[in-house]
Amino acid sequence: DARVTQTPRHKVTEMGQEVTMRCQPILGHNTVFWYRQTMMQGLELLAYFRNRAPLDDSGMPKDRFSAEMPDATLATLKIQPSEPRDSAVYFCASGLVRDGGAVLLNEQFFGPGTRLTVL
Amino acid sequence: KQEVTQIPAALSVPEGENLVLNCSFTDSAIYNLQWFRQDPGKGLTSLLLIQSSQREQTSGRLNASLDKSSGRSTLYIAASQPGDSATYLCAVRVRTGNQFYFGTGTSLTVIP
Repeated sequence: DARVTQTPRHKVTEMGQEVTMRCQPILGHNTVFWYRQTMMQGLELLAYFRNRAPLDDSGMPKDRFSAEMPDATLATLKIQPSEPRDSAVYFCASGLVRDGGAVLLNEQFFGPGTRLTVL
Repeated sequence: KQEVTQIPAALSVPEGENLVLNCSFTDSAIYNLQWFRQDPGKGLTSLLLIQSSQREQTSGRLNASLDKSSGRSTLYIAASQPGDSATYLCAVRVRTGNQFYFGTGTSLTVIP
């Protein structure tokens, strides 16, 4: 049963510490999305990759956030230094885009999320 | 289980027209409702978020309303433009747990 996995599931850290969240997309998917969900803002797109290349990270605070795909089986989202306002649930999703096609929502599989609390 | 439905599934309008997209949900015990747009090959872009205690939210040419009792939300787009062409999705976040349920989407085409 193919699914997107995320680690850790929960993370509590202190302000100023570095946080790294990991995502393993579904094997064979070539698109990865990072979302952040908060009570007040709902779900927001932070960044997305296609074939490991970042295509859009305009939703991500550049000064402290960074997203990478070291290889096709791993995507990382890093916050350095973390701040209390970063507390949220971070979701990763993966999908498959064929040449000239679109990633439909029902082809965008969401991971369980990482719940981050920054004290 | 929450079920979210959007009608119509597809809509094509000439530029300049005002239009309404509909979203209905079966369980009124929601925390909030959010409207997104999705462009081909891209992730979801948040448009408007309505908390359960609110009735509407506005952003530019967009206005979203929420009627929890009837399980409905509408997204009104004024003076449509070709750049509005995209798929529009609504999603409800339920009160228990951290689940959110997406609608099936409305594919909008604005013809120049």
